[in-house]
Amino acid sequence: NAGVTQTPKFQVLKTGQSMTLQCAQDMNHEYMSWYRQDPGMGLRLIHYSVGAGITDQGEVPNGYNVSRSTTEDFPLRLLSAAPSQTSVYFCASSYSRTGTKTQYFGPGTRLLVL
Amino acid sequence: AQKVTQAQTEISVVEKEDVTLDCVYETRDTTYYLFWYKQPPSGELVFLIRRNSFDEQNEISGRYSWNFQKSTSSFNFTITASQVVDSAVYFCALSEDVGNEKLTFGTGTRLTIIP
Repeated sequence: NAGVTQTPKFQVLKTGQSMTLQCAQDMNHEYMSWYRQDPGMGLRLIHYSVGAGITDQGEVPNGYNVSRSTTEDFPLRLLSAAPSQTSVYFCASSYSRTGTKTQYFGPGTRLLVL
Repeated sequence: AQKVTQAQTEISVVEKEDVTLDCVYETRDTTYYLFWYKQPPSGELVFLIRRNSFDEQNEISGRYSWNFQKSTSSFNFTITASQVVDSAVYFCALSEDVGNEKLTFGTGTRLTIIP
């Protein structure tokens, strides 16, 4: 298993540009989520999904969209990038049915918005 | 609302010393889960341990041990005989049993082991 994969590893955007951060998992996990990591603030939840076709907002959803058309993929879209979205983005997944609640994280995407 | 506090922003110890990382949490739920993750300099997040609120037994795994005390809402992490490879940022996190698996993270403790 590849686990949780994220692409790209690093991206530079100009203010106002749009892009999609990709996240995929091959563990048949139901639950997937996106976090952003900023210095001194830990990780904060952006959006999450409890299964295909179901998404919900986390703590800091503004400026981001998500969709979950398949169990495997959970892309994060920035519609109009802003410098405040400069951050490291992590995707995570877990298998809810076992009740373990342990989330496994991808390697992260470092985003710089100029 | 749930909250996780890691009051130690940075800790430096000399190799082979023991070190304890503190974690204090707040939650209204009676059922919840606590986690520790390690983030080495390479940047990935590595799962270390999960504890549920019904299991207060302390756990030891090699040089790592965890002390969970509901009475003080703490879930502290001790590294015995520290090594340079232990240098990393360590995050404590909390998940409430509300049908989803949202994690609330502390702000992390940067641990530096000095050779």
